[in-house]
This record gives sequence, C-alpha cells and structure tokens, in this order.
Amino acid sequence: EDQVTQSPEALRLQEGESSSLNCSYTVSGLRGLFWYRQDPGKGPEFLFTLYSAGEEKEKERLKATLTKKESFLHITAPKPEDSATYLCAVPSQAGTALIFGKGTTLSVSS
Amino acid sequence: ETGVTQTPRHLVMGMTNKKSLKCEQHLGHNAMYWYKQSAKKPLELMFVYNFKEQTENNSVPSRFSPECPNSSHLFLHLHTLQPEDSALYLCASSQDGQTNQPQHFGDGTRLSIL
Repeated sequence: EDQVTQSPEALRLQEGESSSLNCSYTVSGLRGLFWYRQDPGKGPEFLFTLYSAGEEKEKERLKATLTKKESFLHITAPKPEDSATYLCAVPSQAGTALIFGKGTTLSVSS
Repeated sequence: ETGVTQTPRHLVMGMTNKKSLKCEQHLGHNAMYWYKQSAKKPLELMFVYNFKEQTENNSVPSRFSPECPNSSHLFLHLHTLQPEDSALYLCASSQDGQTNQPQHFGDGTRLSIL
C-alpha cells in the first residue's frame, strides 16, 4: 500500500534553532516528491519538487533533500514567520493520484 | 486575478440544502482537482478532470457531483450532505494531470453542515 508518513507531528522551535522535518514513503519507483507549506485558513502553497535521490532544493531558510526512502526539510535559523504546517506528497504507484502525509505543524517562537 | 480562486470561502448549510462550490484557475493549466481536508487526516483526493474529462473518482458518495465546463472552471455541487462532510474543500490545478507535476491549490471553502 502506498504510504507517506511525516514526523514529528508537531515541532516547537525557538527563533534561530535549526531542525529537520522528515517525510518517509513506501511507493516504489518514485516519480517525484513534493513539499508544501500550509498556513491556517489557507490552501497548501507549493515549495519544492524533488525527482531523484541525492537531489537538493533550497528556498530562503528551507532546504529539501531526497533519498531512496525519505525526504528531509531542513530549516536553518527559523523565524516566527516560518510557522506553518508542512506537507509532503508523492505520486501513487499507479500514477493516478498524489498521496499526502498528515503534515508537521511547526511553531517558531521569538 | 492570478492562481487558483475558490468561492465561497465559507459555507454553512443544512443537510437538505443544495449548494455549489466554485473554482477558477488563471494558470493556463489543463487538469483540475477536488480534495477534502479534515482535521488530523491527510488530504483526500475526490475528483480529477483532465482536459475537461473526468479521469478519477475516488469512490466519492453521489451527494457530491462535480462539473467541469472548461479547463479553467470546476464546480462541486452538493446535496443532502451529512455532518461528517464538514471539512475544508480544496481545489487544485496542474499542467496536464501528470502526477509528477506540482499541483497548485486555492485557499479552499470551509464547509459546515448543520
């Protein structure tokens, strides 16, 4: 069964305290992995696509990396405005749908 | 306007009402999607339209009826809903329905069933 698991479920950081979010998946023959950010009352906002193991993408304080089994979203020196729920998703093995994880809710306090 | 726009943003309806959700995308995409997002659950795909043709119906109850008159517009017609249908309904679009492409989301309609 295609599965996407994100951990931790919730993460509290102090401003400037770097950390990583994890997304593990069981789909074989990965055809891409997507990271999204979702603010309360808003829809998911697209951040990154990763297509192959070893690939990395960066945007401001965020860096996404990909291995054959999981992806990490590294947050360097976070600020309060980075507080949001971060979602990852992969195409199903059948290629007909995106499978989303439940997300990691990040809270950054000043 | 840019991106994906959904209206209304909030909707409260009784179980016997009929209402419709509207989605419009200004990205020039050819695929559009409806998702349901409930608390503590992953996004659930409901319907996929690619070049106006429905290509996916993820075992959605018939009280939800989608309509896609063209590649820019998507509707979700609602009738005789149940309390468990209360959720955030998200519309998304992508270039042409290939799942290795990113999908771009609207801000959703928050639906409450009384």
